Amino acid sequence: AQSVTQLGSHVSVSEGALVLLRCNYSSSVPPYLFWYVQYPNQGLQLLLKYTTGATLVKGINGFEAEFKKSETSFHLTKPSAHMSDAAEYFCAVSSGSARQLTFGSGTQLTVLP
Amino acid sequence: EAQVTQNPRYLITVTGKKLTVTCSQNMNHEYMSWYRQDPGLGLRQIYYSMNVEVTDKGDVPEGYKVSRKEKRNFPLILESPSPNQTSLYFCASSPDRVSYGDTQYFGPGTRLTVL
Repeated sequence: AQSVTQLGSHVSVSEGALVLLRCNYSSSVPPYLFWYVQYPNQGLQLLLKYTTGATLVKGINGFEAEFKKSETSFHLTKPSAHMSDAAEYFCAVSSGSARQLTFGSGTQLTVLP
Repeated sequence: EAQVTQNPRYLITVTGKKLTVTCSQNMNHEYMSWYRQDPGLGLRQIYYSMNVEVTDKGDVPEGYKVSRKEKRNFPLILESPSPNQTSLYFCASSPDRVSYGDTQYFGPGTRLTVL
């Protein structure tokens, strides 16, 4: 079985501050890990994903995430928040034995001026 | 433009009145899926399809039906909607199964209210 836990349903940061959104996963086999972003009244779009290879993954809009197997984590970071980053962020996992993507409950990011 | 389309975008209906939400993709993707999104629960998969005529249950299939007669279309059917099916629904597609690490492409969503 696979599962995802996102710590913090709401995160607020000031514009220009570091963004850190936490994601921990559970999987019995090597996972594929994803971060999706949902802007207001829109569908989800891929920010970045880890499949194999380099554990530090860079995505769109300056976001990156690091796969840490020993910590079963895939936290999302951005050095400097922008107002346009305000959105809901979802971590998701898929593993070889599963036929589906399992999502976390989401983290709503607010960027304060 | 490569995209996943859903119709309708908004729907208000009454308990027991059958409805269909359509989903279509123009990317020739093998894999399609339906999710529902509820506050605090993230997205939960309802049904998925790995190819034409191949469908399978996700985590919350009760009260829903799907069909995949053509590769591009994957309609979601609520035979007898109930208020607990009030939710935001997303259709998604990917080139191959997500367990291979494929990216899913999402439609814009359908907000359903069942009175």
